[in-house]
Amino acid sequence: TQLLEQSPQFLSIQEGENLTVYCNSSSVFSSLQWYRQEPGEGPVLLVTVVTGGEVKKLKRLTFQFGDARKDSSLHITAAQPGDTGLYLCAGAYGNNRLAFGKGNQVVVIP
Amino acid sequence: DAGVTQSPTHLIKTRGQQVTLRCSPKSGHDTVSWYQQALGQGPQFIFQYYEEEERQRGNFPDRFSGHQFPNYSSELNVNALLLGDSALYLCASSLAHPDTQYFGPGTRLTVL
Repeated sequence: TQLLEQSPQFLSIQEGENLTVYCNSSSVFSSLQWYRQEPGEGPVLLVTVVTGGEVKKLKRLTFQFGDARKDSSLHITAAQPGDTGLYLCAGAYGNNRLAFGKGNQVVVIP
Repeated sequence: DAGVTQSPTHLIKTRGQQVTLRCSPKSGHDTVSWYQQALGQGPQFIFQYYEEEERQRGNFPDRFSGHQFPNYSSELNVNALLLGDSALYLCASSLAHPDTQYFGPGTRLTVL
């Protein structure tokens, strides 16, 4: 069983602050994907990281894939209320099946 | 270019009934995966279809079955519904080779 642990499960911060959330596993993945999900909707892809040590930036979001391809982090700079949502990490293994963590619920207070 | 679409958006059934959920993949994609997301949990992999065949399956009972059509669209069928089957059912599409999966909006199934 492929397990991903995301921490913290819940994070509430003021607008303009920075935050980092984590996704950890004991398993190695061929790639790792981050999604954001709003209540009652499907996950929306943010980024895919493939190479160990890879860093990708998407505006104020910075994603890092661990050197051993077992863990990842998401850093948000100067958080905005629009960043509020459930952030899901998913590791790809086997024939492109995804194993998800439970998510990091982020709330940005105006 | 339409993304992944799913129907219906919401569904209410009673225990013991059967349900069929539908998914149309993103244009150009040939692989469809289905996931179940219970409240407060991350999505759990049910199975994946490619070339009209089930290519791999997660840890779900045989009550969960599926089908893929020649146009790559897919159906998820659940028989003998249980209260625990209440969840958001997500369809994701991708290309056959390892590739990023794109999700639809989901179907919210409530079993009473």
